Amino acid sequence: GENVEQHPSTLSVQEGDSAVIKCTYSDSASNYFPWYKQELGKRPQLIIDIRSNVGEKKDQRIAVTLNKTAKHFSLHITETQPEDSAVYFCAARPRGGSYIPTFGRGTSLIVHP
Amino acid sequence: GAVVSQHPSRVICKSGTSVKIECRSLDFQATTMFWYRQFPKQSLMLMATSNEGSKATYEQGVEKDKFLINHASLTLSTLTVTSAHPEDSSFYICSAMSEKLFFGSGTQLSVL
Repeated sequence: GENVEQHPSTLSVQEGDSAVIKCTYSDSASNYFPWYKQELGKRPQLIIDIRSNVGEKKDQRIAVTLNKTAKHFSLHITETQPEDSAVYFCAARPRGGSYIPTFGRGTSLIVHP
Repeated sequence: GAVVSQHPSRVICKSGTSVKIECRSLDFQATTMFWYRQFPKQSLMLMATSNEGSKATYEQGVEKDKFLINHASLTLSTLTVTSAHPEDSSFYICSAMSEKLFFGSGTQLSVL
């Protein structure tokens, strides 16, 4: 089955800096890669996603890049703000079968004002 | 995005009692819903896949007699934690697929 590795587990930045979170996946059949943001005690919220036919996608201060050959994808947050502080999860979902996504272990992002 | 409703948000119960958690897709039909368990500062652990009109598929190590799942309609799945014990205390989250995966608000279960 799919195995998703996520790094770093904790990321601390100053307000205004950029933050990058990286994930690797093992199953070359995976073709959909969402990113979720989870604030303490709340539900994970989908913030951006990318499909395997695209190399990069951007939405305001958030961007995701995908390297299919190397099987890794990254989340980039620019001009970080304190409200960006949360746990971020990457996931990879296979093309076939049950379409169940596999989640990374999460990155706790702390943005210091 | 699509809306997934989960109730209750928090429940405290005595050891030995059963607790039912409901997950509803409010504006779409979901033939498949997922139930996750999350420990503090950890990732989402998939417990089972709930299939409308058929038996749930449980992940390895998850007791099907302990965690009863019923998916009786295209908009409702329920998870019943039977004979709850303190070690069952956790944050339980459901999710449903509507082209993309959306999560319920979670249920914090505390078993005394």
